[in-house]
Amino acid sequence: EAQVTQNPRYLITVTGKKLTVTCSQNMNHEYMSWYRQDPGLGLRQIYYSMNVEVTDKGDVPEGYKVSRKEKRNFPLILESPSPNQTSLYFCASSLEASGRWWGDTQYFGPGTRLTVL
Amino acid sequence: QKEVEQNSGPLSVPEGAIASLNCTYSDRGSQSFFWYRQYSGKSPELIMFIYSNGDKEDGRFTAQLNKASQYVSLLIRDSQPSDSATYLCAVKKSGGSNYKLTFGKGTLLTVNP
Repeated sequence: EAQVTQNPRYLITVTGKKLTVTCSQNMNHEYMSWYRQDPGLGLRQIYYSMNVEVTDKGDVPEGYKVSRKEKRNFPLILESPSPNQTSLYFCASSLEASGRWWGDTQYFGPGTRLTVL
Repeated sequence: QKEVEQNSGPLSVPEGAIASLNCTYSDRGSQSFFWYRQYSGKSPELIMFIYSNGDKEDGRFTAQLNKASQYVSLLIRDSQPSDSATYLCAVKKSGGSNYKLTFGKGTLLTVNP
């Protein structure tokens, strides 16, 4: 089954304790992205990746890191989480990074609900 | 002006009615437009995409795009209680290297039995 998976789905942690949220897709997609969703603020992009070893900042990158060592995986790293990073996180992927219309539909993972105490 | 604007709702319609959801965007060069449905606590799921001016129909859903007015809408015919969700409008911005989607904040739709 074609899908985007995220782990963990739920996480409660404490301020300053490094954590990684994994994202994996089995569709051979080039483009991957991380979003956070907060009430009243909608979905906001954190980081994106056009392909392996190519990553760049989105709208709200502060406090996050990413890497793209393999095409299928795009982990999100919080090196020193803070309470303002409590949110619902989504990973998404799309076939193309070139912008051609047939490849730009983004498919979302199931989400990771993170609480930082 | 916000990049992608939607009425937050809630929009309440009776079962069987037509629900009309609207979205405006600010980047005149935007080329790709998407409607996602999101149930509470779940991930967005794609309903439709549209690239050309006019209407695009898929089952009970019709997307309408008017690039001159920078307006995209979603009509849901024969609304069902299972259609109750938040509907997100997303626009792919033109230019640059980030083919990200910019999302509106969503419209909450409630279909009453």
